[in-house]
Amino acid sequence: ILNVEQSPQSLHVQEGDSTNFTCSFPSSNFYALHWYRWETAKSPEALFVMTLNGDEKKKGRISATLNTKEGYSYLYIKGSQPEDSATYLCAFPFINGQNFVFGPGTRLSVLP
Amino acid sequence: EAQVTQNPRYLITVTGKKLTVTCSQNMNHEYMSWYRQDPGLGLRQIYYSMNVEVTDKGDVPEGYKVSRKEKRNFPLILESPSPNQTSLYFCASSSRSRVDQPQHFGDGTRLSIL
Repeated sequence: ILNVEQSPQSLHVQEGDSTNFTCSFPSSNFYALHWYRWETAKSPEALFVMTLNGDEKKKGRISATLNTKEGYSYLYIKGSQPEDSATYLCAFPFINGQNFVFGPGTRLSVLP
Repeated sequence: EAQVTQNPRYLITVTGKKLTVTCSQNMNHEYMSWYRQDPGLGLRQIYYSMNVEVTDKGDVPEGYKVSRKEKRNFPLILESPSPNQTSLYFCASSSRSRVDQPQHFGDGTRLSIL
């Protein structure tokens, strides 16, 4: 069974703090790595899809990096705001990119 | 507005009573998928479909059926629901270049099987 891990499981930060968390995935047969943000009572929304080793993507205060050779991706949030409070999921497509395995998520709480 | 629509949003039913959760997307996406979310386990893929009449099992297909007769619709069928299928279910879709295109999720369906 494919294993996609995320750490930490949960995180509490103060407003204005910068933070980062990790997604680890198998380094062989890499197709892409997806990041989603999932707010309580809503549906997951896509943040980034990363496909190339060394990829760096940015959307506002959120950015992500990718290392396919060692099998990890970092998600960074600069100057966290309460509205950043959510669960952040990574997803790894395999078997020709058709099946998706999601990590368990990192739950971020930003305290005002 | 581009969207994935699931119905019903909430359902409480009893063991053994067949039910169908509908999923429809208006983005002309080829790829559609069903997931279930259980506490501590993250999203797990039940079934997916690459296109009309093409479906395949995900990680947890037992007890579920799907069909893809039209491109826009991908219903999830529970022929004989059991309490261990109580969960939050999400339908998702993406365009043909599914690996480098993000999935768009419906609002979720919370099923309780008594």
